[in-house]
Amino acid sequence: QSALTQPASVSGSPGQSITLSCTGTSSDVGAYNFVSWYQQHPGKAPKLMIYEVTNRPSGVPDRFSGSKSGNTASLTISGLQAEDEADYYCCSFTGSSHPYVFGTGTRVTVL
Amino acid sequence: QVHLVESGGGVVQPGGSLRLSCDGTGFFFRDYGMHWVRQAPGKGLEWVAIIHPDSTTKYYRDSVKGRFTVSRDNSKSTLSLEMDSLTPEDTAVYFCSLHYTSPRAFDSWGPGTLVTVSS
Repeated sequence: QSALTQPASVSGSPGQSITLSCTGTSSDVGAYNFVSWYQQHPGKAPKLMIYEVTNRPSGVPDRFSGSKSGNTASLTISGLQAEDEADYYCCSFTGSSHPYVFGTGTRVTVL
Repeated sequence: QVHLVESGGGVVQPGGSLRLSCDGTGFFFRDYGMHWVRQAPGKGLEWVAIIHPDSTTKYYRDSVKGRFTVSRDNSKSTLSLEMDSLTPEDTAVYFCSLHYTSPRAFDSWGPGTLVTVSS
C-alpha cells in the first residue's frame, strides 16, 4: 500500500488561505469518504482536524475545511494564523487488510 | 476523557526484541479496536497494526508481518506490541490510537514511545 501523495511544503502569509492536496487512488481516497486530516507540531502527537472528508471535531476552528474530488482530497486553511504552522497529514481508509494509509505530509509555513 | 499512555520504548540492537504497552483509561477499552501508528525520525506517519475489540482480527503493515505481534488484555485495558527481529528501519516513535467518536479517524492518541534500533 503506497503512501498518499502530499506536497512537501506550502506557505502563506497571516490571514491568507492555503490549500493542501492529498492524492490517492480509486482504492482509497476515491473509494471511501473516510479521509481524515491531522495537524502535528514538533515533538507532539498528531491532532485530528477533519474526518469523513468534511467534518470538524469539536474544538477545531472553522478556518479548517475539507473536501474531495475523485482521488484527491484537500484541506483548506482560511485566515492563516501563526499557530497553524505545523506538519499536516492526510489519511484514508482502504477497506483492505492494510486498512489505513497516511499521506507523505505537508509542512505549512506561516511567513 | 480518553487517555492513552505508551511505554516500553528504548534502545535495542538489530535483531533484538522489544515489547511496547499502551494503557487506556477514560473509556470502555474492550469496546474499541486499537491501532499502532509509528513515525520514524523526521519522517511521516505510518499505520502499523490493528487489533479488533475481541482480538479475533489483527492486521499488520507488510513490512512488519511475521515480526510484530499485536495483542490486548481487556481486563487490564492494555494494548501491547511485541516486536521481534528489529531492524534500524523500525526506529520510530510508536503511538497507540483509536477511533473513539470519529468514524474511521484517529481522534485519540498517546504521546508515543521512542524505539531506537542501533548497534
